[in-house]
Amino acid sequence: TQLLEQSPQFLSIQEGENLTVYCNSSSVFSSLQWYRQEPGEGPVLLVTVVTGGEVKKLKRLTFQFGDARKDSSLHITAAQPGDTGLYLCAGEVTTDSWGKFQFGAGTQVVVTP
Amino acid sequence: SAVISQKPSRDICQRGTSLTIQCQVDSQVTMMFWYRQQPGQSLTLIATANQGSEATYESGFVIDKFPISRPNLTFSTLTVSNMSPEDSSIYLCSVLPAAHTEAFFGQGTRLTVV
Repeated sequence: TQLLEQSPQFLSIQEGENLTVYCNSSSVFSSLQWYRQEPGEGPVLLVTVVTGGEVKKLKRLTFQFGDARKDSSLHITAAQPGDTGLYLCAGEVTTDSWGKFQFGAGTQVVVTP
Repeated sequence: SAVISQKPSRDICQRGTSLTIQCQVDSQVTMMFWYRQQPGQSLTLIATANQGSEATYESGFVIDKFPISRPNLTFSTLTVSNMSPEDSSIYLCSVLPAAHTEAFFGQGTRLTVV
């Protein structure tokens, strides 16, 4: 059962454009993480959001956690070719199962020069 | 942070054989996990590797197929037993240094079963 639904599955944009990736669920998460994975590598953590309504910014990346802690979004401003990769959201289901994450299916982002 | 070394990085194996994947961490970590990432898909948790006791498997995964060892706080192995082409996947080790901290991933082991 896929608890986390990511959309879109694939996104191809030109350098300089903006993009948003969504992660939605019917479940409440104690925390949610965003990762970027490049071919042949393991996922690399971008950010962790914990509080409902939380907004975190990491340079050109803005992450938002929904008020009910069921959904999240990742917005990239002025995308660059280096932003190309598979973006994964992962929810930590409960505090009792910390470290066990449910992953979304991923969004493949391609940024062309 | 934690630096994870996974071996082998890739392998091509004959069906019916077994492969053991190693995960070595440069520091003691509380939690270690094994994930599978099938081609074009996301990560699925196989099991939690418990130090000094049997691993805790997720639904759909069993010890006979995926035996796991964790002899200490820095090392774990995952064996893929009696392999079939359906086991072709990337297998990833993940560690959590302490409660509610950042999770780190190894670079993965790309397994192809022929």
